Amino acid sequence: ETGVTQTPRHLVMGMTNKKSLKCEQHLGHNAMYWYKQSAKKPLELMFVYSLEERVENNSVPSRFSPECPNSSHLFLHLHTLQPEDSALYLCASSQDTAGGKNIQYFGAGTRLSVL
Amino acid sequence: GQNIDQPTEMTATEGAIVQINCTYQTSGFNGLFWYQQHAGEAPTFLSYNVLDGLEEKGRFSSFLSRSKGYSYLLLKELQMKDSASYLCALRGGSAGKSTFGDGTTLTVKP
Repeated sequence: ETGVTQTPRHLVMGMTNKKSLKCEQHLGHNAMYWYKQSAKKPLELMFVYSLEERVENNSVPSRFSPECPNSSHLFLHLHTLQPEDSALYLCASSQDTAGGKNIQYFGAGTRLSVL
Repeated sequence: GQNIDQPTEMTATEGAIVQINCTYQTSGFNGLFWYQQHAGEAPTFLSYNVLDGLEEKGRFSSFLSRSKGYSYLLLKELQMKDSASYLCALRGGSAGKSTFGDGTTLTVKP
């Protein structure tokens, strides 16, 4: 496999459920990102990890909890979500966070519906 | 803070040329990106500008004027497959932080 892989592609969960989104990159990159994309709204940056350290937390509610066990894997743990959290969650990776182009390569996303 | 403005929708004809504009305000500038996103798919990188001027890559070109806070994406010889959303993204001062515009949905008609 190449590129950025996200699982699951679709997820339906109740407000009391706990679930996790998984992202894996096979590009040898050092930085990974979580974005939220809601209908008719721009991509919203949620978290940035560089070399497994969180370097950006964009005022995201604590019901979203990221985890980066190594530079190839990124998780987003979900707990007690609200219906307005329903959105497409995109993972991305880039070579680094600073310097150069830092082109971000995106996964296909997880379409989350909270009932 | 950062603010990005781009048109919501545009329509063009197959074979034609279309220019998608992006204006921005930012307190720190470290580059401007254009991404393409087809419906239901991941955004994919198109171009990057950090210095003023035109960057050309095949049928796609991107222009930047930092003094004017302005960029455009130029698509030539439009094809039906170019129908997609085009996202302007600004890289600001914070490490790794890119702010995306709302995107411009381009529809190419025969």
